[in-house]
Parts: sequence; structure tokens; C-alpha cells
Amino acid sequence: QKEVEQDPGPLSVPEGAIVSLNCTYSNSAFQYFMWYRQYSRKGPELLMYTYSSGNKEDGRFTAQVDKSSKYISLFIRDSQPSDSATYLCAMSEGGSEKLVFGKGTKLTVNP
Amino acid sequence: GAVVSQHPSWVICKSGTSVKIECRSLDFQATTMFWYRQFPKQSLMLMATSNEGSKATYEQGVEKDKFLINHASLTLSTLTVTSAHPEDSSFYICSARRDRPSTEQFFGPGTRLTVL
Repeated sequence: QKEVEQDPGPLSVPEGAIVSLNCTYSNSAFQYFMWYRQYSRKGPELLMYTYSSGNKEDGRFTAQVDKSSKYISLFIRDSQPSDSATYLCAMSEGGSEKLVFGKGTKLTVNP
Repeated sequence: GAVVSQHPSWVICKSGTSVKIECRSLDFQATTMFWYRQFPKQSLMLMATSNEGSKATYEQGVEKDKFLINHASLTLSTLTVTSAHPEDSSFYICSARRDRPSTEQFFGPGTRLTVL
């Protein structure tokens, strides 16, 4: 079993839809959780950074962490065509800086 | 703020030659930088952790003599792919861990290496 599992998609939604992206993990030592957005042939861009269970909201984006279930989610409200990208979850152990990435989910938002 | 640049953005080289890739944190200091490799439709795989003023720490399976890392200053780390072969063709991405106020990693735009 891989440390971080993420459905690679692809996921296609109409503009304005609510998007739900998810990752599961097996390492209970992971304490820090991140979501990155990566456009084609570009480096990942940090979207959300959390270190506790619960929700964190930033504009149209909400990150959710459930440590008891080892499950994290990213919700995108009112999705836009410009949100079309690959979304990567990443996590690290407390006190360690090494990030472990999911495979990424490719999202397409259709106008 | 928190901008990381990489140079070059793409490079094509002949098999057997060496290629140097630079990673710079433009507006913050980064004691620690990371080098990743990403194959098509695959996730980022950490190759090594680069610490300013000390030797890099390589992940299991990464040849340290082939992928030379030098972290000469708080804003610059370089990755040299020595004696490159076609199987080294990949997308190489660096990240820099901001020393303060928080410790998120910020990624460069990546370097696409093609070895002929």
C-alpha cells in the first residue's frame, strides 16, 4: 500500500460546480497537510496548508482534514475554467520537512 | 513574495554530457531546498534534500555521484546531472523551504531535461 493514495481522475465538471478532491494516507505520523495546484509543464503552487483536523477556508477553497480516518479533502466552490489543473495532495511528518505527494488529480472545468 | 526560480526552464543535451540546473529563492532565505523529479503523469518524487553549507541528503535509490547537489548560499542550490543518459530525461523541480515566518515549501517552475 502506498503512503498516500489519490484518485488520478481525470475529473471533468461544468463551470460553477462544487469540486471535491480527496486523498487517503496510511502513515499516522503525518501531521502537516498541503494541497498544491500544478498547471501543465509548471511547478506546483501551494494552495492550502493545514496541520490540524478540521476545516480551513480560503476564498473558494476549503481544506478538510480527518486524522482519525486518515483522509483529507479539498473543496472548490463555484469552479472556474481557470481552475483546470492537476491538484496534488502532500503531507509530512511533524518535525520533518520531507513531503510525500499523491499522484495528483487532473481537473477540467468546462465553460 | 515567496518566489522560486529555476534556470534553465528546458534543456536538451547529448548522452554523456553534464547539465547544471539552478534553483533560486528570489525574495526569501532558504536554508533548506529540495530536488524532485516528475515523470509524465506521475507524482513528484523527492530526490534529495539540500542544506546550505552541508552535504545533501539523498533518498534511497538516488545516485549521489550522478546527481550532484551544491547549496552554496541561502538563496541558491544547484543540481548537476552528470553523464546524462536518455533515462534521465524528466521534469526536475526544486522547492525552497522558507526559514520564516512559516515553513511552507515553495516550488520553482521546473526544468525539462531531454537527453538524446
